[in-house]
Amino acid sequence: ETGVTQTPRHLVMGMTNKKSLKCEQHLGHNAMYWYKQSAKKPLELMFVYSLEERVENNSVPSRFSPECPNSSHLFLHLHTLQPEDSALYLCASSQDRTSGREFFGPGTRLTVL
Amino acid sequence: EDKVVQSPLSLVVHEGDTVTLNCSYEVTNFRSLLWYKQEKKAPTFLFMLTSSGIEKKSGRLSSILDKKELFSILNITATQTGDSAVYLCAVRRHTSGTYKYIFGTGTRLKVLA
Repeated sequence: ETGVTQTPRHLVMGMTNKKSLKCEQHLGHNAMYWYKQSAKKPLELMFVYSLEERVENNSVPSRFSPECPNSSHLFLHLHTLQPEDSALYLCASSQDRTSGREFFGPGTRLTVL
Repeated sequence: EDKVVQSPLSLVVHEGDTVTLNCSYEVTNFRSLLWYKQEKKAPTFLFMLTSSGIEKKSGRLSSILDKKELFSILNITATQTGDSAVYLCAVRRHTSGTYKYIFGTGTRLKVLA
């Protein structure tokens, strides 16, 4: 257990659905991240939040919408996804944006039909 | 363009063998290099390296960084089946007042009993 939890662990959705991924960290960290891990590709950083403010958005399509209501929670809202968005979505947190170590959650395996 | 390349892509060994995993990088504004172990879902932190030539060690695992030749190696001695995992290398770079991680595709290690 890394202190970072994610729900759901698995999600299957159609292209017209709207769903949300949830991440919660119990470590008192100030920075949280969303990563996408596709098969045989490197981890891709999607969004970075520091003290609940989005500080980085790495050219992610608008069908992915992050939300950080407080420093312990991070959401990724999904709508009108494409089959190529099927991947493992990992949440991570670190003490702050300059801290060298990130703690990862177990991920949500997303399948878009 | 920044890149992190890991080799080999996959490796199968027998218990008791020693393995060396490689990570080479071309990244501007390098700050540190990190190694993670990813078994089922969540990557778990192994080492962070910032200085050349200083070996970091944890049990049967050790790692060293060469900032002149731009690579790092991760050694695992007396391998066990529990070492079977994907080993990820990430380079942390500084950009516009913030930090960014660039991940390699990973090396998949399978240790046979």
